[in-house]
Amino acid sequence: DADVTQTPRNRITKTGKRIMLECSQTKGHDRMYWYRQDPGLGLRLIYYSFDVKDINKGEISDGYSVSRQAQAKFSLSLESAIPNQTALYFCATSEGFGYTFGSGTRLTVV
Amino acid sequence: DAKTTQPPSMDCAEGRAANLPCNHSTISGNEYVYWYRQIHSQGPQYIIHGLKNNETNEMASLIITEDRKSSTLILPHATLRDTAVYYCIVRVWVGNTGKLIFGQGTTLQVKP
Repeated sequence: DADVTQTPRNRITKTGKRIMLECSQTKGHDRMYWYRQDPGLGLRLIYYSFDVKDINKGEISDGYSVSRQAQAKFSLSLESAIPNQTALYFCATSEGFGYTFGSGTRLTVV
Repeated sequence: DAKTTQPPSMDCAEGRAANLPCNHSTISGNEYVYWYRQIHSQGPQYIIHGLKNNETNEMASLIITEDRKSSTLILPHATLRDTAVYYCIVRVWVGNTGKLIFGQGTTLQVKP
């Protein structure tokens, strides 16, 4: 099993719908991150969490919210999806110097 | 904003060394340089990181200039499987932990 698992792998949703992307990890890391990647660009940080009680906004948090349900689970929600949120979303964990990324969720908002 | 500048693309012949440059002229003294790569649209894969000394592991070498304003990732014997987007990243500190700030990366094409 992957260390960082993202579900779903692919999702198509309609404008205005609420959608949740889920991330779970088996590495036992306290720190978790959500990134977004648009075509041809690097990853941009949406939210990050240093532990269950600590959640912080990243560079592009508008239109997104997160929930850290447990050390191992960090969910990203789009309350009312819009087409420019169509992107590839990555979850990551870290401890010390090591960062581990999930395989990504490809989200299309139509 | 990204703290790194990389050429958008590079080619390398299979079996030769690939040298990928990166400028990070505004790096602070306690900020590490990381290199990740992304193959197709998979999750980024860790390659190497360093602070001021040169580093080597089984995948690559990292050469950091003395003033720390630039670095070079070296893949000693590039293979076709090394074709990917390579990201040079500065790890910035937030309180007592770090965040990876990605730039746009270099697309390395390894050719037969």
